[in-house]
Formats: sequence, structure tokens, C-alpha cells
Amino acid sequence: DTGVSQDPRHKITKRGQNVTFRCDPISEHNRLYWYRQTLGQGPEFLTYFQNEAQLEKSRLLSDRFSAERPKGSFSTLEIQRTEQGDSAMYLCASSKQGSNQPQHFGDGTRLSIL
Amino acid sequence: AQSVTQLDSQVPVFEEAPVELRCNYSSSVSVYLFWYVQYPNQGLQLLLKYLSGSTLVKGINGFEAEFNKSQTSFHLRKPSVHISDTAEYFCAVGNTGTASKLTFGTGTRLQVTL
Repeated sequence: DTGVSQDPRHKITKRGQNVTFRCDPISEHNRLYWYRQTLGQGPEFLTYFQNEAQLEKSRLLSDRFSAERPKGSFSTLEIQRTEQGDSAMYLCASSKQGSNQPQHFGDGTRLSIL
Repeated sequence: AQSVTQLDSQVPVFEEAPVELRCNYSSSVSVYLFWYVQYPNQGLQLLLKYLSGSTLVKGINGFEAEFNKSQTSFHLRKPSVHISDTAEYFCAVGNTGTASKLTFGTGTRLQVTL
């Protein structure tokens, strides 16, 4: 169990640029989640995948955001035309199938918009 | 819809003293409950979970929590804290249906001092 890996750990970009984050889940986990955490708040759900299928998306996920998990393994989260309000920690988690399965989190990608 | 309330944003405590971090939830369906800990610039680590059965749940690092259905609470306790317990603690709720997302509280900062 090597844990959930996220890359990069930090990303600084100018407003209006596109950014892409990667998440590698625990290998035997078929569910993968994305959350966003702003300063002083708890994580907020964005979306989740079961294998390669994206099963749920939050209303927080505007059309500038897109997530993929093409082969049911790693996932990418892309933000187009970044805005100041996108500054946050983006957390990835994975779990085995089943709502009673605990989610294991990566260390996150901290996005700062200049 | 479900929600989590963590009433205390900060809890200062002396080393070796007991501590209780409060969590109340609201949900129209049956729930699973979790406590996570977050150290600075890291992701979330699972402390303990309540799925069913005994209402007293023991977790890692000497923490325990008690599920109280009538009071819709899931308070976290530790009989004697250490400096190393200084961190942010998040309570989270997931429903027992097919949806897998977790809803988090806003967190409680536990500050342990000598």
C-alpha cells in the first residue's frame, strides 16, 4: 500500500491560465474522489469515479472544471481559465467499492492564483 | 441532504489532559461517520469510523468516539493528549445508500501545549 499520490504538490499560476493535476490512487481501489478545501474549511466534494465512469458531480464543479479517469487508474483534474476563487487545496481520495469503505486521502495539490 | 457541525473551531488543552471534540450531524437517511486528522500541508488521515454495531468506536493514536443516534452526535475523545496531537480534526458523514461522497464539518483545531 503506497498510498494516494498527487502531483504537483504546489502550483502557482496566473489568472486565466489552465492547470492540470494528477492523482494516482491506491492500486486495488476502484473508486476515486476529488475534493476542494479552502482555508479554514473542511473539504468539499467535487466529483467521483467508479473505475472509469464519472458517477457524480457537485454543483461546485463549474464547466471550467473537467475530470477524467480514462483507464480506471489515475485521474486528472483540469481547470480552464483559472480565477482567483479557484485558489485552494485540491484533495484526491480513493476507496474500495461500497459506501462503508473509508476514503484514503493524498497530500493534495495547493493551487495559488496570482 | 446532510450536514455536519463542529461547534468548536479551536480547542486549547494542556499536555496529558483529556479532550473532547464535538461533532453533530444532520441527515434524513442512515449514516456512516468518520473522524479524520490533518497535519499542516498534508492530506487527511483516518482516525476512526462508525459503520454499525457498538456505539463506542476505538481508533488510532488512542482516540475513541461515541455514536449517539438520539442526539445525532459523534464526539471524539482522548483521555490524555500529547503535543504531537496538535492538528486539525474533521468530522465527516456519508450516507449508507449508493452515494459515496463525504460531507465534512469545518474542522476543530486542537492545540496542545506544555
